[in-house]
Amino acid sequence: NAGVTQTPKFRILKIGQSMTLQCAQDMNHNYMYWYRQDPGMGLKLIYYSVGAGITDKGEVPNGYNVSRSTTEDFPLRLELAAPSQTSVYFCASSRRTGGVPSGNTIYFGEGSWLTVV
Amino acid sequence: QQPVQSPQAVILREGEDAVINCSSSKALYSVHWYRQKHGEAPVFLMILLKGGEQKGHEKISASFNEKKQQSSLYLTASQLSYSGTYFCGTPNAGGTSYGKLTFGQGTILTVHP
Repeated sequence: NAGVTQTPKFRILKIGQSMTLQCAQDMNHNYMYWYRQDPGMGLKLIYYSVGAGITDKGEVPNGYNVSRSTTEDFPLRLELAAPSQTSVYFCASSRRTGGVPSGNTIYFGEGSWLTVV
Repeated sequence: QQPVQSPQAVILREGEDAVINCSSSKALYSVHWYRQKHGEAPVFLMILLKGGEQKGHEKISASFNEKKQQSSLYLTASQLSYSGTYFCGTPNAGGTSYGKLTFGQGTILTVHP
């Protein structure tokens, strides 16, 4: 199993450009997430999805969009890139638990380093 | 709300012990611990569930006190491979969290030979 796969690993964008970060998982997980991590900081949740066709905002959703057309894929779209979006982006997934708020192991992709200049 | 970790950074020599604390202002159902090496993704260490259980992963163990809303990670006889940033994560309380975690700001652990 590949686990969670993200592409690209590195990207430089100019202000105002748009791009999509790709994410795919092969563990048949229902839940998928996008986190961003700024230098020396913790992880902030951008968007999450509980299944195909269902997405919702996390803590820092402004400037981003997501879609979930299949269980496997969860792309993150950056519209009109700004320097404040310079960060490391992690896609992650976990399996469904049936509603118990104890949480599951979250499996992270290797990260995408994005610089906006 | 984001859990608070302390200390922010720890420097050790091989073989020394360390404790990393994670505190929350809200009721906790569980606490998750992850370790991130520089330039890599966070990797799961362990989950602590309600009940005050203690878990272990090699020479790394943790405790969870839900009454005090805090967890502690114990690193015994540290090895060079323990170096990295340690994060605690907590699910949203009061309902289905869908696996979402809110992470602390991280504790940087550096182990020297």
